[in-house]
Amino acid sequence: NAGVTQTPKFRILKIGQSMTLQCTQDMNHNYMYWYRQDPGMGLKLIYYSVGAGITDKGEVPNGYNVSRSTTEDFPLRLELAAPSQTSVYFCASGSGQGDPGELFFGEGSRLTVL
Amino acid sequence: GNSVTQMEGPVTLSEEAFLTINCTYTATGYPSLFWYVQYPGEGLQLLLKATKADDKGSNKGFEATYRKETTSFHLEKGSVQVSDSAVYFCALCSGSARQLTFGSGTQLTVLP
Repeated sequence: NAGVTQTPKFRILKIGQSMTLQCTQDMNHNYMYWYRQDPGMGLKLIYYSVGAGITDKGEVPNGYNVSRSTTEDFPLRLELAAPSQTSVYFCASGSGQGDPGELFFGEGSRLTVL
Repeated sequence: GNSVTQMEGPVTLSEEAFLTINCTYTATGYPSLFWYVQYPGEGLQLLLKATKADDKGSNKGFEATYRKETTSFHLEKGSVQVSDSAVYFCALCSGSARQLTFGSGTQLTVLP
C-alpha cells in the first residue's frame, strides 16, 4: 500500500537550473496538491488539481508549473531555480467526496538551491 | 482570506503532563477544522477533525472542540507521552477543491 510517493527525497540545485519533482498516488484520488513548508511558516499551497487535465494556482505559484495528464501523477516543475525556492515540498491527495476528509501526504522532497 | 493562528512554540513538557495547543481561525462560512501531526522525517498525517460547530474530534487521547463563537479549535491531551513528540498543525478546509490552510505549526517535545 504505497499511498503518495514523491521523488527525489533530496536534491541540490544551482541557481538557474530546472527540475521536476515527481508525485504519484495509487488511491485513485481525484484531488491532488503541492505544498511547500518553510521553517516556522507552516505549509503554503503552490498548485492543486481536482482531476486529470485540470490544475489551478494556490497561494504561492510563482516560479512553478504543474501538469495532470493522469489521475495518478501530479509533477511539479521548477524553472530557473532561485534560493527562495529552498524548501521542503509535500505532495498530497484526497478523494474529494463526502465530508472534507483526510489528505494523504508524501514523505516530502527537500530542495536546496545554491 | 482564510487564516489559521497557532500558539507559538516550541513546547517542552514532562511525560504525563497536560497539553494544550491553542488554535484560532478566520474564515468565511463554516469550514471544517483539522489537526495534523508530523513526526520527524515524515509527511503530515491526520490526527483528528471536526466538520461543524460543537463537534469534538478525538484520536489517540487527543481532543479538540469546534467553537464557532470563539473561532477556536484548541488541541488537548490529558497525559502526554514521549512518543507524542512531533510538530502539530492546525488547519481549516475550504473551497470547492477542499484546500487546506495551515497554521505555522507547534513543535512539541516530551521529556521522560
